[in-house]
Amino acid sequence: GAVVSQHPSRVICKSGTSVKIECRSLDFQATTMFWYRQFPKKSLMLMATSNEGSKATYEQGVEKDKFLINHASLTLSTLTVTSAHPEDSSFYICSAPDRNYGYTFGSGTRLTVV
Amino acid sequence: AQSVTQLGSHVSVSEGALVLLRCNYSSSVPPYLFWYVQYPNQGLQLLLKYTTGATLVKGINGFEAEFKKSETSFHLTKPSAHMSDAAEYFCAVSDAPTGKLIFGQGTTLQVKP
Repeated sequence: GAVVSQHPSRVICKSGTSVKIECRSLDFQATTMFWYRQFPKKSLMLMATSNEGSKATYEQGVEKDKFLINHASLTLSTLTVTSAHPEDSSFYICSAPDRNYGYTFGSGTRLTVV
Repeated sequence: AQSVTQLGSHVSVSEGALVLLRCNYSSSVPPYLFWYVQYPNQGLQLLLKYTTGATLVKGINGFEAEFKKSETSFHLTKPSAHMSDAAEYFCAVSDAPTGKLIFGQGTTLQVKP
């Protein structure tokens, strides 16, 4: 079946640094990737939609300059949290539509900013 | 725009009892509906989905859901709860096969021995 590999699974970084999260579709071409953020005990909030070869579309209230999304190829989409602060600590998950009218999710990245 | 409401943020059942997790949706077009399960610090696992066709959908681990257009509902059920069913459950809706997937607030299922 379709697999989206997300790395890293956990990352701890210092305030002010940037962190890159990668999502790779392993056995299918992901022309679209959705990026979600999940706070503890909360639901998934859609942050942005990336499309291969074009600019990402951000949801209302999401800072484009804080969360840089790049979708340079049909198998790789990245989310870079720039100048991270403790309030950016969260669980980030990517998802791509698959061939079976469904969505394949990455395993998530737990980001902790100290 | 689509939206999803899950009634009950926390549901507690005894092992062996019926599980019923409620989901109502709003969509201006025929929806694609999903139920996902999430265990702590993990990604999401698809339980089942409705796209078109039969309104009663069977999924993994004994779960099923019925799409009721007149009630705009897609409730998740399982006849007999297992301890391993304890997790967070999310209902989600999309207005297209590759459209944005919008999640409900989630329901925590607790299974008591």
